[in-house]
Amino acid sequence: AQSVTQLDSQVPVFEEAPVELRCNYSSSVSVYLFWYVQYPNQGLQLLLKYLSGSTLVESINGFEAEFNKSQTSFHLRKPSVHISDTAEYFCAVSDLEGMDSNYQLIWGAGTKLIIKP
Amino acid sequence: NAGVTQTPKFQVLKTGQSMTLQCAQDMNHNSMYWYRQDPGMGLRLIYYSASEGTTDKGEVPNGYNVSRLNKREFSLRLESAAPSQTSVYFCASRPDRRSGNTIYFGEGSWLTVV
Repeated sequence: AQSVTQLDSQVPVFEEAPVELRCNYSSSVSVYLFWYVQYPNQGLQLLLKYLSGSTLVESINGFEAEFNKSQTSFHLRKPSVHISDTAEYFCAVSDLEGMDSNYQLIWGAGTKLIIKP
Repeated sequence: NAGVTQTPKFQVLKTGQSMTLQCAQDMNHNSMYWYRQDPGMGLRLIYYSASEGTTDKGEVPNGYNVSRLNKREFSLRLESAAPSQTSVYFCASRPDRRSGNTIYFGEGSWLTVV
């Protein structure tokens, strides 16, 4: 069975400092990997995803994540955070196999990014 | 460009009352989902529907029922609300796998059962 572990429930960081949000997964098959972001009192929205190809994927607002198959990780990084990055970040995994009828995402518990001025 | 719309946004229920959360998507997606979100527990899948006319249980289906009324609409019903069902509920939809794997979420429904 697949599982996703986000190692930190909260990550406080000063504005303009770098940040890394950690995500590890377990799966016996090849996977797709996702990071979703949830701003306060809103729904989740896709930040970036890895499906295939280059193991480094980027978002439009400066985040990046690297798929590391040997370490089964998909950590999210940003070199310099802004107050507007305050949100909860969710890592998710799905397998490449199976049918549409049983396709699901397995979610991590989320990491709250707290930006200190 | 509505995307996924769910109503109501806020609701307070008394224990034992029933209610239905409504969800509609205008993206012609086949799959739809209902999740609940509780602090420290991430998202947990309640029910999902891979296509019109089909529904399947997720991780936490007890106390809920769903209806996939048509391709656009997927409702979640609480027949006899309990305080343990106090949560934020999210409806979501997704196109078929050949069209992409991104799940699109509604804005959420905050439900309090007293």
